[in-house]
Amino acid sequence: DAKTTQPTSMDCAEGRAANLPCNHSTISGNEYVYWYRQIHSQGPQYIIHGLKNNETNEMASLIITEDRKSSTLILPHATLRDTAVYYCIVREGSSNTGKLIFGQGTTLQVKP
Amino acid sequence: NAGVTQTPKFQVLKTGQSMTLQCAQDMNHEYMSWYRQDPGMGLRLIHYSVGAGITDQGEVPNGYNVSRSTTEDFPLRLLSAAPSQTSVYFCASSQDRGDYEQYFGPGTRLTVT
Repeated sequence: DAKTTQPTSMDCAEGRAANLPCNHSTISGNEYVYWYRQIHSQGPQYIIHGLKNNETNEMASLIITEDRKSSTLILPHATLRDTAVYYCIVREGSSNTGKLIFGQGTTLQVKP
Repeated sequence: NAGVTQTPKFQVLKTGQSMTLQCAQDMNHEYMSWYRQDPGMGLRLIHYSVGAGITDQGEVPNGYNVSRSTTEDFPLRLLSAAPSQTSVYFCASSQDRGDYEQYFGPGTRLTVT
């Protein structure tokens, strides 16, 4: 079972920041938070990951609370192409199986 | 680089038929895996491989076989197709099993009638 809880769906206006929350209250000390997204009918795509510090790359920012029980993915200037299902995943960095547990994710709809 | 490629894109089988879903990657990745995606179920791991000659079962392996004779290829075989295997199948690869970024293929949509 997924170890994360996400809202089922969210809307965002084009050009505005999209903030996608994720709860992972049972996260262990050696587990990372990963974010992937799946645009309709395509394979999932990696976005960003982090352990305890905030992270930023060319796609997004990841804010992890100090107690690590929740995090927020931020898309700073959402475009229509960011409409997708966003998955928050918790996994050990040194996974034995490499398995990613995809829950239901958050369907983000970016509107003009 | 082509990344991860999968063939075919679509396939319709009759119950009891067998077939092989192809997956190939050109990034020299050691780790490869197969997932299936069903409505309301998320993606579930079928089989995975940490290198050529090494495979292992995921959470839903029944009815599927895999082999890994080369680093590049990781085919998934359906031995005797059943309607319950109607799904979208994704292949993924990464440098190793602990790598944070896994690359997914475009998927194969399989219907078993």
